[in-house]
Amino acid sequence: EIVLTQSPGTLSLSPGERATLSCRASQSVSSSYLAWYQQKPGQAPRLLIYGASSRATGIPDRFSGSGSGTDFTLTISRLEPEDFAVYYCQQYGSLLTFGGGTKVEIK
Amino acid sequence: QLQLQESGPGLVKPSETLSLTCTVSGGSISSSSYYWGWIRQPPGKGLEWIGSIYYSGSTYYNPSLKSRVTISVDTSKNQFSLKLSSVTAADTAVYYCAVVVTAIPVVWGQGTLVTVSS
Repeated sequence: EIVLTQSPGTLSLSPGERATLSCRASQSVSSSYLAWYQQKPGQAPRLLIYGASSRATGIPDRFSGSGSGTDFTLTISRLEPEDFAVYYCQQYGSLLTFGGGTKVEIK
Repeated sequence: QLQLQESGPGLVKPSETLSLTCTVSGGSISSSSYYWGWIRQPPGKGLEWIGSIYYSGSTYYNPSLKSRVTISVDTSKNQFSLKLSSVTAADTAVYYCAVVVTAIPVVWGQGTLVTVSS
């Protein structure tokens, strides 16, 4: 089973700042099978990025994904008030697994 | 546009079987493009994939739950279902159904909270 470790656990930033979220895999992950989700309280997760770097339909271009192998990054170029949420990475190897999440909170 | 809606009891007794149904609208569950999955989230915790099914009935389960999980599909009703047996308090969670494309849950239902308690 591939374990995804997200860091930091919490990121305290102000609107307008840049957010950089990390997702590290215990084994190499195919980029085709790496995704990022945003979850707000009381809501289902929403797909942001698939294939490590492709934005899902309707996702603003301030969200970008990068990385390969075991290290992946989600970047939010300028935080908007609605971006404060929890973010999860997800991979599929022989098993579909999620990272533990990074909470982006208002500083 | 695909939409999914979970339904089922919100309270299940310990040792009993949790049963949920996901109704798909805006598309056919028989589409060859999709798998259909269940994912859960204990209160205040992260996400755990339970399993996925293809319209033909092929299933893939999380090994940690495999002995207790059954996922089935009913193409006539455009629904798929989850059964989780011998539940304990540790199975208390929000349960989500989702459409899965290339192993990525793309569209999620709103989720339903299932509490295991006597």
